Amino acid sequence: DAGVIQSPRHEVTEMGQEVTLRCKPISGHDYLFWYRQTMMRGLELLIYFNNNVPIDDSGMPEDRFSAKMPNASFSTLKIQPSEPRDSAVYFCASRYNHEQFFGPGTRLTVL
Amino acid sequence: DQQVKQNSPSLSVQEGRISILNCDYTNSMFDYFLWYKKYPAEGPTFLISISSIKDKNEDGRFTVFLNKSAKHLSLHIVPSQPGDSAVYFCAATSGTYKYIFGTGTRLKVLA
Repeated sequence: DAGVIQSPRHEVTEMGQEVTLRCKPISGHDYLFWYRQTMMRGLELLIYFNNNVPIDDSGMPEDRFSAKMPNASFSTLKIQPSEPRDSAVYFCASRYNHEQFFGPGTRLTVL
Repeated sequence: DQQVKQNSPSLSVQEGRISILNCDYTNSMFDYFLWYKKYPAEGPTFLISISSIKDKNEDGRFTVFLNKSAKHLSLHIVPSQPGDSAVYFCAATSGTYKYIFGTGTRLKVLA
C-alpha cells in the first residue's frame, strides 16, 4: 500500500487566492482526519470524517475553511480566501484500529 | 488552553544515553495516550501507546510511563541512537476518535 497520499506537497499562493489541498486515504480505513501543524500550536485537528460523513469540524478555524469527502478514497480541504496566517503544514491521516496513519503533508505558504 | 502540553521544545542527548521526553495533560477524561515520531518532510508515525489502566508499556528501546495522579506521561528511549533524532508528539484521547496533540519536542541524539 502506498500509504496516505497528499497533494500538492508544497503550495505557495498569494493572499486572497483559493487553495485546495487533496488527500487519498489508505484503502479500507473508514476515518479520515485533517490536521494543521504550526510551531505555536503543534498538531491541531481541524475536522474528521467517518465513512465520508463529517463528524466533528469544531477545529476548523473559520468559515474560510471547508472540507469535503465525496467518496471513500478522496478528500479535499479548501481555504477561500487564503490569508498569511494560514501558512502551515497540513496533514491528512486515516485510521485503522487505534492508529492514525499520516500522509507526508502539504506545506502551504500564503504571501 | 492546551490540554496536552510538551513544555520542552528541544532536547539533546548523547548517543547511548537515555532520552526522556515529557508530556502533561489537563483533561482527566483522557484514557488513552500515544507517542508519535516525525522526521522532516514526513508525516508523524505511531511509536507507542498506553491505556489509562496501565502505568507502563514497553516496546524494545521505548517505554512509556503514565502517572495519572500527576496527569503526566513520559517516553524513555534507551539507549538513544542518532536515528532517533526527530520531533516527538504526545497525544491523548477520551474514548473518541479525536486525538489532542501536544506541540512536540525536538530530540537530537549526538554521535
